[in-house]
Amino acid sequence: QSVLTQPPSMSAAPGRLVTISCSGTNSNIGINSVSWYRHLPGTAPKLLAFDNNKRPSGVPDRFSASKSGTSATLGIAGIQSGDEADYYCGTWDSRLSQWVFGGGTKLTVL
Amino acid sequence: QVHLVESGGAVVQPGRSLRISCEASGFSFRNHGMHWVRRAPGRGLEWVAVIYYDGSTKEYADFVKGRFTVSRDNGKRKLYLQMDSLGVDDTALYLCARDRTMYYHGMDVWGQGTMVSVSS
Repeated sequence: QSVLTQPPSMSAAPGRLVTISCSGTNSNIGINSVSWYRHLPGTAPKLLAFDNNKRPSGVPDRFSASKSGTSATLGIAGIQSGDEADYYCGTWDSRLSQWVFGGGTKLTVL
Repeated sequence: QVHLVESGGAVVQPGRSLRISCEASGFSFRNHGMHWVRRAPGRGLEWVAVIYYDGSTKEYADFVKGRFTVSRDNGKRKLYLQMDSLGVDDTALYLCARDRTMYYHGMDVWGQGTMVSVSS
């Protein structure tokens, strides 16, 4: 059972918008910044967003992230077949003194 | 170019020990916190440990406390994970990752991992 809650799977047709949610508590998302990652097994995970809503250089602007209270969201616009991967939110949990990830959302492009 | 390369993964028997390494290049290693993260077959990313830029502070996931030890050698630009009392549930791809800061504010660069299999 992960500390952060994400939907296990989502699917979307090419060109559509997908929003992936990440729910936490006042000891993690509520007081610390959230990062988002993409991982395709066999490759290195990739940072998609940090500090709740900032995009690293090189990440297309069709990826957007936000945070409100104890929840965070990653949006992917204009879905492409290459977006099929597992997506994770993560943040520091100040009560546990541990980094925590969501359980991951497997995105399927129809 | 920023690079992290893990090594040392192996097949080991339950109860045995193993040390894996991560070699960094292309950035100022001594100025970044470093993490170990693992991904077991069929499961998601699972954080293992973090060590501050100077090695002064180490934090661990509950499931490895007392069994795993993270360390670093800034002169050699290397990160280590000493794993003792390994169990079958420790079978996973172990990834090292650089923190964006000196501490624990999130990973921004990752290696591709080294596989650890615990089996009798």
